[in-house]
Amino acid sequence: GAVVSQHPSWVICKSGTSVKIECRSLDFQATTMFWYRQFPKQSLMLMATSNEGSKATYEQGVEKDKFLINHASLTLSTLTVTSAHPEDSSFYICSARVIWPYEQYFGPGTRLTVT
Amino acid sequence: QKEVEQNSGPLSVPEGAIASLNCTYSDRGSQSFFWYRQYSGKSPELIMSIYSNGDKEDGRFTAQLNKASQYVSLLIRDSQPSDSATYLCAVNEAGNMLTFGGGTRLMVKP
Repeated sequence: GAVVSQHPSWVICKSGTSVKIECRSLDFQATTMFWYRQFPKQSLMLMATSNEGSKATYEQGVEKDKFLINHASLTLSTLTVTSAHPEDSSFYICSARVIWPYEQYFGPGTRLTVT
Repeated sequence: QKEVEQNSGPLSVPEGAIASLNCTYSDRGSQSFFWYRQYSGKSPELIMSIYSNGDKEDGRFTAQLNKASQYVSLLIRDSQPSDSATYLCAVNEAGNMLTFGGGTRLMVKP
């Protein structure tokens, strides 16, 4: 299967600061990447769809000015959590989609703790 | 609204038994079907994909698809304690994002 990496795997930051998370497809090109958030014992929640070279599409209720997504190349998408607050503490997972047959591969996730 | 339904479980099976996980979906236009395994605290891992009616086998895993009944299942033979995880069913129509079910928690008891 295809490999997706994520960095960092965990991060602790202070309230009010910004955190950037990187997602890379290591052995394939991904025109589309996705960002999810998952709280303990809850389902995956899609935050946004990231398309290479264009603006991300955000799901309803997700603040685009708070969660900045950039997909500058076919192998890299970044999520920046701006002015983080304790309620932003969560498990953030990216995934990248193979063009055909639309299989989606997940990165290992980033655990964010905001103090 | 596209929906994917799974029984949340937990589904408890003894070691060595067959675990049967089921999923129904609402969008008749769906073309691709996937099963992911997610261990607690980890991200989902793709374990099976199926695109046409019938069975698809890969090792101890068999995915079954019935588009007429809008039903997809995953069978795990010779279940092991290491198979204990949450299994996510995911469905998509060509070019669109995946719609995930809520997941079924499987517990394999030694």
